Amino acid sequence: GAVVSQHPSRVICKSGTSVKIECRSLDFQATTMFWYRQFPKQSLMLMATSNEGSKATYEQGVEKDKFLINHASLTLSTLTVTSAHPEDSSFYICSAPPSGGYRGETQYFGPGTRLLVL
Amino acid sequence: AQTVTQSQPEMSVQEAETVTLSCTYDTSESDYYLFWYKQPPSRQMILVIRQEAYKQQNATENRFSVNFQKAAKSFSLKISDSQLGDAAMYFCAYPLNSGGGADGLTFGKGTHLIIQP
Repeated sequence: GAVVSQHPSRVICKSGTSVKIECRSLDFQATTMFWYRQFPKQSLMLMATSNEGSKATYEQGVEKDKFLINHASLTLSTLTVTSAHPEDSSFYICSAPPSGGYRGETQYFGPGTRLLVL
Repeated sequence: AQTVTQSQPEMSVQEAETVTLSCTYDTSESDYYLFWYKQPPSRQMILVIRQEAYKQQNATENRFSVNFQKAAKSFSLKISDSQLGDAAMYFCAYPLNSGGGADGLTFGKGTHLIIQP
């Protein structure tokens, strides 16, 4: 099956610093990737859709200036949490559909990144 | 807006027995897809099964099958011959309607499945 990786797997940072999380599709090209956030003992919430060659689309309530998304290539999307604060501590997961993206296509998920802001 | 409801926060089943996890959803669409994903303690999301709404036949993947009732907007997951490795959080999911192309997913709150040896 399709493989999606994330780096780092966990990161601890000080309040006020920025953190970059990478999402890579290893064996397919992904024109679209998705970023989710999962708080402890809760479900996944879609944050944004990352589009190669164009701006990301953010879900309602997600701050664009705080969560910067760059889809640099057909295999890489990055999420930068700017000026991180303790309330940004969470588990961030990316996903990608391997066939270019159509409604209902199966998505494959990365292993997630645990962010802890002190 | 599409919503997904999982009413069972936790379920417990004896190893080798059968368990059914419930999921209901709300949509005004007639053609859509539904998913079940599992999230084991590693937190890696793994696709369990996918159902296309226009297909009458319920999807099946080995020990996993669904009972899809379109009129009732119900999409339950049946796990037969439960194994210890099935212990995980199970999430029901529906594609958000972004107006075209690939869609992110909206998830239910999840059901924590415990397998008793």
